[in-house]
Amino acid sequence: DGGITQSPKYLFRKEGQNVTLSCEQNLNHDAMYWYRQDPGQGLRLIYYSQIVNDFQKGDIAEGYSVSREKKESFPLTVTSAQKNPTAFYLCASSPGQVVGSSYNEQFFGPGTRLTVL
Amino acid sequence: SQQGEEDPQALSIQEGENATMNCSYKTSINNLQWYRQNSGRGLVHLILIRSNEREKHSGRLRVTLDTSKKSSSLLITASRAADTASYFCATASGGSNYKLTFGKGTLLTVNP
Repeated sequence: DGGITQSPKYLFRKEGQNVTLSCEQNLNHDAMYWYRQDPGQGLRLIYYSQIVNDFQKGDIAEGYSVSREKKESFPLTVTSAQKNPTAFYLCASSPGQVVGSSYNEQFFGPGTRLTVL
Repeated sequence: SQQGEEDPQALSIQEGENATMNCSYKTSINNLQWYRQNSGRGLVHLILIRSNEREKHSGRLRVTLDTSKKSSSLLITASRAADTASYFCATASGGSNYKLTFGKGTLLTVNP
């Protein structure tokens, strides 16, 4: 059963703590992404990775960190430096560059809802 | 930065009616994609239209693209209660086929 999984579904954090959100895919996709969604808002890109051992900052990377040591895994750490971390976090993957095509559909996980207490 | 902006922000219709959502964007694009999100869930890809295409169909979905007006529309025909969800447009632009920029979405409610 191929797909993309995120855990946990709900996460509670005390102020000042770092937390790590898990994202795993078995689609053999090269590219992976982390988005943040606030109520009634669209998705904002935090970090993305085009290939293993490489990643780039998105539009709102401050207070977050990532790693991409394995193709199938792209964990996101929300650090204490993130001033307003309460949000819905979505991980996605895509096949990556398709030669001669502009196609790049993204496949999303079910999300993690993070609440800071 | 927000590239796509959907209109309207919310739409309420009766089952069987058609629903039309619009998306405007600011810079030239490689492709434009529409996604659906049920409440509290991840997004699901619906349809992609390339910059050199003008119209595309998939089942009850019809997407148009007008690059001169930098706009796209998503039409859902013969709507069902199960179509109730938020719908987002997303654009891929510049030298990157990887990064998508999402709009804020249209919340569609289909009443039985």
